[in-house]
Amino acid sequence: QVRPQQWGAGLLKPSETLSLTCQVYGESLRSYYWSWIRQTPGKGLEWIGEISYSGDTNYNPSLKSRVTISSDTSKNYFSLNLTSVTAADTAVYYCARGEFDLWGQGTTVTVSS
Amino acid sequence: QAVLTQPASLSASPGASASLTCALRSGINVDSNSIYWYQQKAGSPPRYLLRYNSDSDMHQDSGVPSRFSGSKDASANAGILLISGLHSADEADYYCMIWHSSAWVFGGGTKLTVL
Repeated sequence: QVRPQQWGAGLLKPSETLSLTCQVYGESLRSYYWSWIRQTPGKGLEWIGEISYSGDTNYNPSLKSRVTISSDTSKNYFSLNLTSVTAADTAVYYCARGEFDLWGQGTTVTVSS
Repeated sequence: QAVLTQPASLSASPGASASLTCALRSGINVDSNSIYWYQQKAGSPPRYLLRYNSDSDMHQDSGVPSRFSGSKDASANAGILLISGLHSADEADYYCMIWHSSAWVFGGGTKLTVL
C-alpha cells in the first residue's frame, strides 16, 4: 500500500476557500470510498465527508453547507473544497481510504487574518 | 452529550494489559454498531487497528499484533480495545469510531501512557 499524497494551501484568510487534493497511487480510485477528515486539538478527529467509487458524495451535516468533495478518476485523485473558512477551520486535514485503513500524511491548514 | 466518550488518559505498566473503553451515548446501542479503533502517535496520522462487531464479525488490519483485540460490554454500552503485554511502543492516543446518523463519528481519544 502506498500512502496517498495530499497537498494544498496551508495558510488562508477568513472567508477564503480551502482547497486540498489527495493523489492515490497503486490502486484505482474506483475501488473504494475516499474521505476527508480533520483534526484539531480542541475538537479531535472530525469526519468531513466522502466520495464513492461512483462519484456519490456524503457530507458531515455540520459542514455540509460549505463542503464539496470531487474526484478525477482519470487522474486518480480527489479533492476537498471548504468555503468561507474561519479560524475554527484551522486543523490538520487528512485524506483516507474506505473505513480509514490508509491515511494521507496530513496537511496543516491555518486560517488567520 | 457526545456520541462516543473515551477516558482522556490511562496509564499501565509494561507487560500489563490495558482496557480502553468507548462508551456510546444513551440511545445508541453498542450491539447494533461496529466499533473501529485507531492508534495515533505524535506527528503521524492515525493508524487503523481493528473493527469489532462480534466474535464472528471482526477485522484486524494486517500487521497489527494479536495483542490488540476488540470486544463489547453490553452492560456498559461500550466498545473495548484490549492491549495485552504492553510495550513502550504502545504509548499513543487511541480513538474509537462508529457510523452514526449518516456520518462517521470519533471519540475524543485516550492517551495511553506505558510506564
